[in-house]
Amino acid sequence: LAKTTQPISMDSYEGQEVNITCSHNNIATNDYITWYQQFPSQGPRFIIQGYKTKVTNEVASLFIPADRKSSTLSLPRVSLSDTAVYYCLVGAGGYQKVTFGTGTKLQVIP
Amino acid sequence: DTAVSQTPKYLVTQMGNDKSIKCEQNLGHDTMYWYKQDSKKFLKIMFSYNNKELIINETVPNRFSPKSPDKAHLNLHINSLELGDSAVYFCASSQDYYGDRGNYGYTFGSGTRLTVV
Repeated sequence: LAKTTQPISMDSYEGQEVNITCSHNNIATNDYITWYQQFPSQGPRFIIQGYKTKVTNEVASLFIPADRKSSTLSLPRVSLSDTAVYYCLVGAGGYQKVTFGTGTKLQVIP
Repeated sequence: DTAVSQTPKYLVTQMGNDKSIKCEQNLGHDTMYWYKQDSKKFLKIMFSYNNKELIINETVPNRFSPKSPDKAHLNLHINSLELGDSAVYFCASSQDYYGDRGNYGYTFGSGTRLTVV
């Protein structure tokens, strides 16, 4: 099971682009990389998922280098409502016992 | 319509009591999970059911017993509650047991905050 490492916290001003990097040095061939967002008193919410290269949706972009040992979640032009904890999750599902990492607490400042 | 709903949202109870948390999903997913989030915000899987069959049973005290009457429901019963059981418990579901891949990963409920006094 790939262990993930993320910064504990980040601050950003409104309107800026935020990049959160997750390290997963022992990622397996079958593993996918998924990012979740969690607001206080709510469950984590799926943001984006990828296997390699770049994935973009209406919320974020996910950049994955060729060696897949890290990934970067990019949030364009953050607003105060993006203040949350962001979790990076690596795995291939199935019978794996998945534990979320510590997450990155993003604080958006006016 | 709430995709994954769990009840109650808050639960305060005394040590030694037995309590249950209910979870229902209306997404047609095959797999359901129970996660525990402690005070340090670590999210750890407890159980996973695929089509009513237990597929993941993490090392948790046997005071915790999941029950899945059908693939849309996964309940968690806790016997002889202890102070250390205080946490937020999340129910989640995924399209199949490959919760880590596929289009949408896990869908979580809003959590049940359990406080044991």
